[in-house]
Amino acid sequence: QSALTQPPSASGSPGQSVTFSCAGTSSDIGYYNYVSWFQQHPGRAPKLIIYEVSKRPSGVPDRFSGSKSGNTASLTVSGLQAEDEAEYYCSSYAGSNNWVFGGGTKVTVL
Amino acid sequence: VQLLESGGGVVQPGGSLRLSCTAPEFNFYTYDIHWVRQAPGKGLEWVAFIRYDGSDKYYAYSVKGRFTISRDNSKNTVYLQMNSLRAEDTAVYYCVKDKSGSWTFDYWGQGTLVTVSS
Repeated sequence: QSALTQPPSASGSPGQSVTFSCAGTSSDIGYYNYVSWFQQHPGRAPKLIIYEVSKRPSGVPDRFSGSKSGNTASLTVSGLQAEDEAEYYCSSYAGSNNWVFGGGTKVTVL
Repeated sequence: VQLLESGGGVVQPGGSLRLSCTAPEFNFYTYDIHWVRQAPGKGLEWVAFIRYDGSDKYYAYSVKGRFTISRDNSKNTVYLQMNSLRAEDTAVYYCVKDKSGSWTFDYWGQGTLVTVSS
């Protein structure tokens, strides 16, 4: 069982937006602004797409955006494209030199 | 940034294995490095961390006392020594560069598969 809770699946049609959550506690997401999101295609390594709640690494499209409210973080993918179909994982620094991940959300482009 | 893991394979329960992570970058010695694992069909799990100079090492509770992370900067290599292996350690192990100041993981290797089975 993962430390952070994500819905197992989300879906949307091309061009639409999809938003899904990552629930933590007051010791991780609620305390630190060190929430990250990773995209993983089948058979590939994860790729960082959001860090520090809402920042995008160079080269990541601005269709990806992150936010946080209380103990819950969210990822929004706007203007869905076929290549966005992947597994998405959230993570947070949890203090005491420990990092936690969510169980992953599989995004399907209908 | 390119990170290349090696050393995975099949090992019996109770056995040992040493994973290696190498990088061709000339400034590898400036990187803090994590190991993150992913069991087949499952999510990600942080395993261990080592500071760029080896001065700090941290472990997940699930591996503390069994796994040891180390590095040899003269060889641009980080190691993960895994002892007393259990079936639940079966996973793809990723070597990951720490994103300085952001408490996250920015560059990932392609991973090496460790299978613990009799």
